[in-house]
Amino acid sequence: DAGITQSPRHKVTETGTPVTLRCHQTENHRYMYWYRQDPGHGLRLIHYSYGVKDTDKGEVSDGYSVSRSKTEDFLLTLESATSSQTSVYFCAISEYLGNTIYFGEGSWLTVV
Amino acid sequence: GDSVTQMEGPVTLSEEACLTINCTYTATGYPSLFWYVQYPGEGLQLLLKATKADDKGSNKGFEATYRKETTSFHLEKGSVQVSDSAVYFCALQDDGGTSYGKLTFGQGTILTVHP
Repeated sequence: DAGITQSPRHKVTETGTPVTLRCHQTENHRYMYWYRQDPGHGLRLIHYSYGVKDTDKGEVSDGYSVSRSKTEDFLLTLESATSSQTSVYFCAISEYLGNTIYFGEGSWLTVV
Repeated sequence: GDSVTQMEGPVTLSEEACLTINCTYTATGYPSLFWYVQYPGEGLQLLLKATKADDKGSNKGFEATYRKETTSFHLEKGSVQVSDSAVYFCALQDDGGTSYGKLTFGQGTILTVHP
């Protein structure tokens, strides 16, 4: 299994509060991704990183920000959580372009 | 832009039945194609992949062939088991320089296999 750890694995939070999800990898892979999974939509890309301090938006980035200050950590922040952000969030990593992408075990977030 | 379309689910089969999950794609370049599997309560695991036309990916009795002429990558298995019950995702990875390797997924197909 790829060395990817997501935290927290489960969280319930209130509307309007900030939330940060952490992805930690031990593989020293360059590329990291945050996806969200929703019924009927598969997985959709939120943000991705192609190196330390190098990040860009995916297709569903509104309401989310990311940071990558170290190779091993990629943080996803919901600036002010809304009920529409209730979802399962997956972190993924890849060593280089075109290589296999490996996924973490997911973080279940409920916004009430 | 890139897109992936999977057959509608859920799919319910009896053990030892044949499985086909259809997947078609639209892409601007020459993508790599993947099937991922998600068992209940777990993350996604790579099941198989193919990187160029006519390549066949295979793993755990599952197969899929990259068909450029029909832009398809259908997943097949000759005899399913109860342990194959999961959600299956078809995905593509564009080879474009600005894509940074990101995956585009289909909506997922739920497979349930009964004894």
